Amino acid sequence: AQSVAQPEDQVNVAEGNPLTVKCTYSVSGNPYLFWYVQYPNRGLQFLLKYITGDNLVKGSYGFEAEFNKSQTSFHLKKPSALVSDSALYFCAVRDPRGGGSNYKLTFGKGTLLTVNP
Amino acid sequence: NAGVTQTPKFQVLKTGQSMTLQCAQDMNHEYMSWYRQDPGMGLRLIHYSVGAGITDQGEVPNGYNVSRSTTEDFPLRLLSAAPSQTSVYFCASRPTGTATEAFFGQGTRLTVV
Repeated sequence: AQSVAQPEDQVNVAEGNPLTVKCTYSVSGNPYLFWYVQYPNRGLQFLLKYITGDNLVKGSYGFEAEFNKSQTSFHLKKPSALVSDSALYFCAVRDPRGGGSNYKLTFGKGTLLTVNP
Repeated sequence: NAGVTQTPKFQVLKTGQSMTLQCAQDMNHEYMSWYRQDPGMGLRLIHYSVGAGITDQGEVPNGYNVSRSTTEDFPLRLLSAAPSQTSVYFCASRPTGTATEAFFGQGTRLTVV
């Protein structure tokens, strides 16, 4: 069974500082990995994904994520945080093999990022 | 460009009542799914569909029914609401293919009293 762990419920950073939101995964085979962001009272918005190729993936709003197969991690990063980045962030994994698991996107529990002015 | 539209945005039900949460997408996506979001538990898959006429159960299907008569619509039915179904419900759609990302609606906040 596939799973995602986001070990930090909350992350606090000062505006202008770099931020990291951690994610580790468990899946048989090569994973497809996704990051989503949820602003208050809104749906989830796609940020970026890793499918194959370069381990460093760049996405929306200046975010990037690094895929590390040996550590089964896919941490979200941004060089300089903004107050407007404050939101709930979800990591998700999909098993690309055939069958029912191919359709299922498994989410972590989410990490609340607060960027302080 | 509407994307994924969910109605209603808010709903209060009494225990035992039934209702249907509506979901419509205008992107001609084959895949659609319903999730519920509960504090500290992330999103959990209720039901999903890979095309019109084809549905399957997710992680937490009990108490919910779905059908998919058209590509555009994927309603979620609560048969007999229970307080444990108090949650925020999200509908999502995505194009065919294993590497595609999902597009989410803005959610329905349901309270069962």
